[in-house]
Amino acid sequence: GAGVSQTPSNKVTEKGKYVELRCDPISGHTALYWYRQSLGQGPEFLIYFQGTGAADDSGLPNDRFFAVRPEGSVSTLKIQRTERGDSAVYLCASSRDRGWTDTQYFGPGTRLTVL
Amino acid sequence: AQSVTQLGSHVSVSEGALVLLRCNYSSSVPPYLFWYVQYPNQGLQLLLKYTSAATLVKGINGFEAEFKKSETSFHLTKPSAHMSDAAEYFCAVSSSGGGADGLTFGKGTHLIIQP
Repeated sequence: GAGVSQTPSNKVTEKGKYVELRCDPISGHTALYWYRQSLGQGPEFLIYFQGTGAADDSGLPNDRFFAVRPEGSVSTLKIQRTERGDSAVYLCASSRDRGWTDTQYFGPGTRLTVL
Repeated sequence: AQSVTQLGSHVSVSEGALVLLRCNYSSSVPPYLFWYVQYPNQGLQLLLKYTSAATLVKGINGFEAEFKKSETSFHLTKPSAHMSDAAEYFCAVSSSGGGADGLTFGKGTHLIIQP
C-alpha cells in the first residue's frame, strides 16, 4: 500500500506567521510520530500519538508547537508565531501499533523555511 | 537518557571496498538500536534493527551490524560498496523496539562512493 505522505513538501513563510503541516500515515497504523531535522543534524523527536491521544509530547520545544490527530489517522503539526530557528525538515512516521518491536516508517518530510 | 554518537560526518570508500560506519550509544536501559538510510529527497528507510535477539543483525541491501554491549557499539558494515549505497546513514536508539516511543538519532554519516 501507500507509504506515509506529508503535505506540503515545501513551505515558505514569514517570521511571525502560523503554519500547519499535514501527515497521512500508512493505513491502519495506530502510532504516529513527528520529528524535526535541522540542517546537518539527525532527526529530533517531537511528539508521539497512540490513536487520537498524544502519548509523549516531551520533544515539543515550546508552546508555539502543537499537534493534533482528532480521528486517529491524519495528524497536523501546528506552529504559531514562527521564528527563523523553526526552519527545518519536519518528518512524520507511523507504525502499526504499540508493539514493542514495530518499525517506524517515515514520510519524505516537509521542508519549512521561515524568512 | 539516551544518546548516539556517529563517528565521522563523512566517509568515503571506493566502489567494491568495505563499508564501515561507526555508531556508539549511551543508554540507561537495555537499548534497541537501528540504522536508517536517507537518500536525497526521500524519507528515512530502515536498514536493520537490533531488538535483543541475535547480536549480529542482517539488513537490507547487504548491510549488517553487530551489537557489542561491552563496547556500547553498533557499527554498520557492508563487504563491498556499490555506487547506489551513496546516501546519509543514521544510527538511532530507543528504549523500546521502535513501536512505543520516539527514536533518538545520531547526527548522521554521509557515505560517499568513489568510482
